[in-house]
Amino acid sequence: AQSVTQLDSHVSVSEGTPVLLRCNYSSSYSPSLFWYVQHPNKGLQLLLKYTSAATLVKGINGFEAEFKKSETSFHLTKPSAHMSDAAEYFCVVSDHGKTSYDKVIFGPGTSLSVIP
Amino acid sequence: ETGVTQTPRHLVMGMTNKKSLKCEQHLGHNAMYWYKQSAKKPLELMFVYSLEERVENNSVPSRFSPECPNSSHLFLHLHTLQPEDSALYLCASSQHDRAEQYFGPGTRLTVT
Repeated sequence: AQSVTQLDSHVSVSEGTPVLLRCNYSSSYSPSLFWYVQHPNKGLQLLLKYTSAATLVKGINGFEAEFKKSETSFHLTKPSAHMSDAAEYFCVVSDHGKTSYDKVIFGPGTSLSVIP
Repeated sequence: ETGVTQTPRHLVMGMTNKKSLKCEQHLGHNAMYWYKQSAKKPLELMFVYSLEERVENNSVPSRFSPECPNSSHLFLHLHTLQPEDSALYLCASSQHDRAEQYFGPGTRLTVT
Protein backbone atom coordinates (compact mmCIF):
# COMPACT_ATOMS: atom_id res chain seq x y z
CA ALA A 1 0.00 0.00 0.00
CA GLN A 2 1.07 3.55 -0.65
CA SER A 3 1.91 5.99 2.11
CA VAL A 4 3.60 9.35 2.48
CA THR A 5 5.45 10.75 5.49
CA GLN A 6 6.43 14.37 5.82
CA LEU A 7 8.90 14.39 8.62
CA ASP A 8 8.38 17.97 9.75
CA SER A 9 5.00 19.49 10.41
CA HIS A 10 6.56 22.95 10.54
CA VAL A 11 9.81 24.41 9.19
CA SER A 12 11.07 27.94 9.80
CA VAL A 13 13.90 29.53 7.80
CA SER A 14 15.34 33.01 7.42
CA GLU A 15 14.90 34.84 4.15
CA GLY A 16 17.78 34.09 1.80
CA THR A 17 18.73 30.78 3.46
CA PRO A 18 18.16 27.32 1.96
CA VAL A 19 14.91 25.42 2.30
CA LEU A 20 14.67 21.66 2.89
CA LEU A 21 11.29 19.97 3.24
CA ARG A 22 11.52 16.23 3.76
CA CYS A 23 9.30 13.54 2.30
CA ASN A 24 9.51 9.74 2.48
CA TYR A 25 7.16 7.38 0.74
CA SER A 26 6.29 3.74 0.38
CA SER A 27 4.88 2.24 -2.77
CA SER A 28 4.39 -1.23 -4.18
CA TYR A 29 4.99 -0.06 -7.73
CA SER A 30 7.16 2.47 -9.49
CA PRO A 31 5.56 5.62 -8.16
CA SER A 32 4.97 9.06 -9.47
CA LEU A 33 5.76 11.75 -6.91
CA PHE A 34 4.62 15.32 -6.64
CA TRP A 35 4.98 18.41 -4.52
CA TYR A 36 2.10 20.87 -4.19
CA VAL A 37 2.04 24.26 -2.49
CA GLN A 38 -0.95 25.90 -0.85
CA HIS A 39 -0.91 29.56 0.06
CA PRO A 40 -3.42 30.81 2.65
CA ASN A 41 -7.03 30.67 1.43
CA LYS A 42 -5.97 29.26 -1.93
CA GLY A 43 -6.17 25.90 -3.66
CA LEU A 44 -3.21 23.60 -4.16
CA GLN A 45 -0.75 24.40 -6.95
CA LEU A 46 1.52 21.81 -8.55
CA LEU A 47 5.18 22.70 -7.88
CA LEU A 48 6.90 19.78 -9.59
CA LYS A 49 6.53 16.11 -10.49
CA TYR A 50 8.64 12.99 -10.88
CA THR A 51 7.43 10.35 -13.32
CA SER A 52 10.41 7.99 -13.83
CA ALA A 53 12.50 10.26 -16.01
CA ALA A 54 15.36 12.34 -14.54
CA THR A 55 15.76 11.84 -10.80
CA LEU A 56 16.45 15.54 -10.19
CA VAL A 57 13.29 17.44 -10.97
CA LYS A 58 13.07 21.19 -11.35
CA GLY A 59 9.83 23.00 -10.62
CA ILE A 60 8.42 26.47 -10.48
CA ASN A 61 9.69 29.32 -8.30
CA GLY A 62 13.21 27.87 -8.01
CA PHE A 63 12.21 24.66 -6.22
CA GLU A 64 13.64 21.27 -7.04
CA ALA A 65 13.39 17.75 -5.67
CA GLU A 66 15.52 14.63 -6.00
CA PHE A 67 14.06 11.13 -6.22
CA LYS A 68 16.21 8.67 -4.26
CA LYS A 69 14.85 5.17 -4.64
CA SER A 70 17.32 3.61 -2.20
CA GLU A 71 16.18 6.01 0.50
CA THR A 72 12.52 6.14 -0.63
CA SER A 73 12.77 9.90 -0.37
CA PHE A 74 11.68 12.88 -2.43
CA HIS A 75 12.88 15.92 -0.51
CA LEU A 76 12.04 19.43 -1.72
CA THR A 77 14.77 22.08 -1.74
CA LYS A 78 15.33 25.69 -2.70
CA PRO A 79 18.70 27.48 -2.46
CA SER A 80 17.35 30.76 -1.14
CA ALA A 81 14.01 31.31 0.60
CA HIS A 82 11.80 34.23 -0.30
CA MET A 83 9.05 35.71 1.84
CA SER A 84 6.49 34.61 -0.75
CA ASP A 85 7.48 30.96 -0.16
CA ALA A 86 5.67 30.93 3.18
CA ALA A 87 2.91 28.37 2.64
CA GLU A 88 1.85 24.76 3.25
CA TYR A 89 3.64 22.12 1.18
CA PHE A 90 2.25 18.67 0.39
CA CYS A 91 4.17 15.65 -0.85
CA VAL A 92 2.05 13.25 -2.92
CA VAL A 93 2.61 9.69 -4.19
CA SER A 94 0.70 7.87 -6.88
CA ASP A 95 0.77 4.30 -8.13
CA HIS A 96 -0.15 3.54 -11.68
CA GLY A 97 -2.57 1.26 -13.33
CA LYS A 98 -4.47 -0.17 -10.41
CA THR A 99 -7.68 1.71 -11.06
CA SER A 100 -9.36 3.53 -13.90
CA TYR A 101 -7.76 6.67 -12.53
CA ASP A 102 -4.44 7.29 -10.84
CA LYS A 103 -5.04 7.16 -7.10
CA VAL A 104 -2.99 9.69 -5.19
CA ILE A 105 -2.08 9.83 -1.51
CA PHE A 106 -1.36 13.18 0.09
CA GLY A 107 1.08 13.67 2.90
CA PRO A 108 -0.03 15.60 6.00
CA GLY A 109 1.74 18.77 4.90
CA THR A 110 4.64 20.91 6.10
CA SER A 111 4.05 24.52 7.02
CA LEU A 112 6.95 26.73 5.92
CA SER A 113 7.56 30.05 7.65
CA VAL A 114 10.06 32.56 6.30
CA ILE A 115 11.53 35.05 8.76
CA PRO A 116 12.59 38.46 7.40
CA GLU B 1 -5.73 29.65 -11.51
CA THR B 2 -8.74 29.92 -13.84
CA GLY B 3 -8.40 26.29 -15.02
CA VAL B 4 -10.62 25.05 -12.19
CA THR B 5 -13.23 27.36 -10.69
CA GLN B 6 -15.37 26.87 -7.62
CA THR B 7 -18.44 28.75 -6.43
CA PRO B 8 -19.25 30.03 -3.97
CA ARG B 9 -15.89 30.85 -2.36
CA HIS B 10 -17.48 31.21 1.05
CA LEU B 11 -20.69 29.68 2.41
CA VAL B 12 -22.34 29.89 5.81
CA MET B 13 -25.28 27.60 6.34
CA GLY B 14 -27.46 26.35 9.16
CA MET B 15 -27.80 22.68 9.95
CA THR B 16 -31.23 22.49 8.35
CA ASN B 17 -30.30 24.21 5.08
CA LYS B 18 -29.73 22.67 1.66
CA LYS B 19 -27.00 24.13 -0.50
CA SER B 20 -24.78 23.08 -3.39
CA LEU B 21 -21.13 23.65 -4.22
CA LYS B 22 -20.17 23.95 -7.86
CA CYS B 23 -16.93 23.15 -9.63
CA GLU B 24 -16.09 23.71 -13.28
CA GLN B 25 -12.90 22.76 -15.11
CA HIS B 26 -11.74 24.30 -18.39
CA LEU B 27 -8.77 21.97 -18.95
CA GLY B 28 -10.37 19.22 -21.02
CA HIS B 29 -9.89 16.70 -18.23
CA ASN B 30 -12.09 13.64 -17.70
CA ALA B 31 -11.68 12.97 -13.98
CA MET B 32 -12.88 15.20 -11.14
CA TYR B 33 -12.46 15.00 -7.39
CA TRP B 34 -13.90 16.42 -4.16
CA TYR B 35 -11.61 16.80 -1.16
CA LYS B 36 -12.27 17.99 2.37
CA GLN B 37 -9.54 19.96 4.12
CA SER B 38 -9.99 20.49 7.85
CA ALA B 39 -7.60 22.29 10.16
CA LYS B 40 -4.86 20.05 11.56
CA LYS B 41 -5.97 17.05 9.42
CA PRO B 42 -4.63 15.54 6.20
CA LEU B 43 -6.48 16.19 2.98
CA GLU B 44 -9.42 13.76 2.75
CA LEU B 45 -10.53 12.41 -0.62
CA MET B 46 -14.33 12.30 -0.68
CA PHE B 47 -15.45 11.40 -4.20
CA VAL B 48 -13.91 10.67 -7.58
CA TYR B 49 -15.60 10.74 -10.94
CA SER B 50 -13.66 9.24 -13.83
CA LEU B 51 -15.12 9.37 -17.33
CA GLU B 52 -18.34 10.66 -15.73
CA GLU B 53 -18.80 7.62 -13.51
CA ARG B 54 -18.39 7.69 -9.76
CA VAL B 55 -15.43 5.44 -9.00
CA GLU B 56 -14.71 6.26 -5.39
CA ASN B 57 -16.79 7.13 -2.36
CA ASN B 58 -14.64 7.15 0.72
CA SER B 59 -17.25 6.37 3.37
CA VAL B 60 -18.66 9.85 3.12
CA PRO B 61 -21.91 10.48 5.06
CA SER B 62 -25.04 10.58 2.95
CA ARG B 63 -25.60 14.24 3.84
CA PHE B 64 -23.00 14.87 1.11
CA SER B 65 -24.26 13.97 -2.37
CA PRO B 66 -22.11 14.46 -5.48
CA GLU B 67 -23.31 14.96 -9.01
CA CYS B 68 -21.29 14.98 -12.22
CA PRO B 69 -23.56 15.86 -15.17
CA ASN B 70 -20.65 16.02 -17.65
CA SER B 71 -16.87 15.92 -17.66
CA SER B 72 -16.56 19.67 -17.03
CA HIS B 73 -18.91 20.11 -14.09
CA LEU B 74 -19.06 18.67 -10.60
CA PHE B 75 -21.46 19.48 -7.80
CA LEU B 76 -21.57 18.66 -4.12
CA HIS B 77 -25.09 18.83 -2.68
CA LEU B 78 -25.27 19.47 1.04
CA HIS B 79 -28.16 18.89 3.44
CA THR B 80 -28.59 18.66 7.22
CA LEU B 81 -24.89 19.21 7.82
CA GLN B 82 -23.18 19.16 11.19
CA PRO B 83 -20.78 21.77 12.65
CA GLU B 84 -17.89 19.31 12.21
CA ASP B 85 -18.49 19.52 8.46
CA SER B 86 -17.10 23.05 8.50
CA ALA B 87 -13.97 22.94 6.33
CA LEU B 88 -12.42 23.99 3.05
CA TYR B 89 -13.86 21.90 0.20
CA LEU B 90 -11.52 21.54 -2.74
CA CYS B 91 -12.33 20.40 -6.23
CA ALA B 92 -9.67 19.02 -8.55
CA SER B 93 -9.47 17.60 -12.04
CA SER B 94 -7.07 15.47 -14.05
CA GLN B 95 -6.84 13.22 -17.04
CA HIS B 96 -8.15 9.87 -15.77
CA ASP B 97 -4.87 8.11 -16.51
CA ARG B 98 -2.63 10.85 -15.13
CA ALA B 99 -1.90 11.46 -11.48
CA GLU B 100 -1.26 15.21 -11.55
CA GLN B 101 -4.31 17.04 -10.39
CA TYR B 102 -5.26 20.66 -10.80
CA PHE B 103 -7.11 22.29 -7.95
CA GLY B 104 -9.68 25.00 -7.64
CA PRO B 105 -9.43 27.69 -4.95
CA GLY B 106 -11.89 25.92 -2.66
CA THR B 107 -15.14 26.79 -0.90
CA ARG B 108 -14.82 27.74 2.76
CA LEU B 109 -17.89 26.21 4.41
CA THR B 110 -19.09 27.14 7.87
CA VAL B 111 -21.98 25.22 9.42
CA THR B 112 -23.70 27.03 12.28
